[in-house]
Amino acid sequence: GENVEQHPSTLSVQEGDSAVIKCTYSDSASNYFPWYKQELGKRPQLIIDIRSNVGEKKDQRIAVTLNKTAKHFSLHITETQPEDSAVYFCAASFRGNTPLVFGKGTRLSVIA
Amino acid sequence: EAGVVQSPRYKIIEKKQPVAFWCNPISGHNTLYWYLQNLGQGPELLIRYENEEAVDDSQLPKDRFSAERLKGVDSTLKIQPAELGDSAVYLCASSSFGDTGELFFGEGSRLTVL
Repeated sequence: GENVEQHPSTLSVQEGDSAVIKCTYSDSASNYFPWYKQELGKRPQLIIDIRSNVGEKKDQRIAVTLNKTAKHFSLHITETQPEDSAVYFCAASFRGNTPLVFGKGTRLSVIA
Repeated sequence: EAGVVQSPRYKIIEKKQPVAFWCNPISGHNTLYWYLQNLGQGPELLIRYENEEAVDDSQLPKDRFSAERLKGVDSTLKIQPAELGDSAVYLCASSSFGDTGELFFGEGSRLTVL
C-alpha cells in the first residue's frame, strides 16, 4: 500500500519568510496529492491539491510542486503570517479508488 | 450547507467500557470515512464506506471495533471494550465519488480512556 513520508516535523519561521514542507510517496500509481491545514482543536481543511498531470499549482501565497519521477511533492508558503501557524498534512491517493494516506504532519510556527 | 457533523465532541470513559461515535456526512456524499488521529500524528484510515458497503476496513481492529452505515447516510463507530491505547481523536469525513477527491472532515470526537 501507499506510504507517505513528511519532513520536517516542526518548522519555525519569521513572519514574512517562506516555508517549505516536503513529502515523498511510495506508490507510483498515486495521482492525487492534497495538502490539509489543521489548526489546534479544529478539523483538517483542504488548502491546495495537485494532480499528477500537473507539475505546479499556485493559489495566492501557497504553491505546490510535484515531481512524479522522484515521487515527491512540496508545499511552499510565501510571505508567512501568524495565522499560517498550524499543522500541515500532505496526503496521496489513486483518486476515486483508494482512500487518502496522510503524512505525519508538520507543525509550522510563524514568529511575529 | 451543513458540514460533516460528529458527536459527541468529547468522551471520557473507564477502560473496558463501551463507547460509540456518530457521524452525519454532507448531504449527497456517498463515500464516508472514519479516521483515527493520535496526538501529533496524521489521520489513519479505519474504514471507508461507499453508500452502505464497507469497501476498505483492513485497518479496523475487528476484535473490538465495529462500524455501520445503515441506509447509506449516517454512520456509527463503536469500541467495545475500550482500552487505554484507544485514546485519540476519531475523525469522520465524507466525499462525493467521482468528484475532486477532496475529503470534508468533521470536528472529530476526542476519546479519553482512563
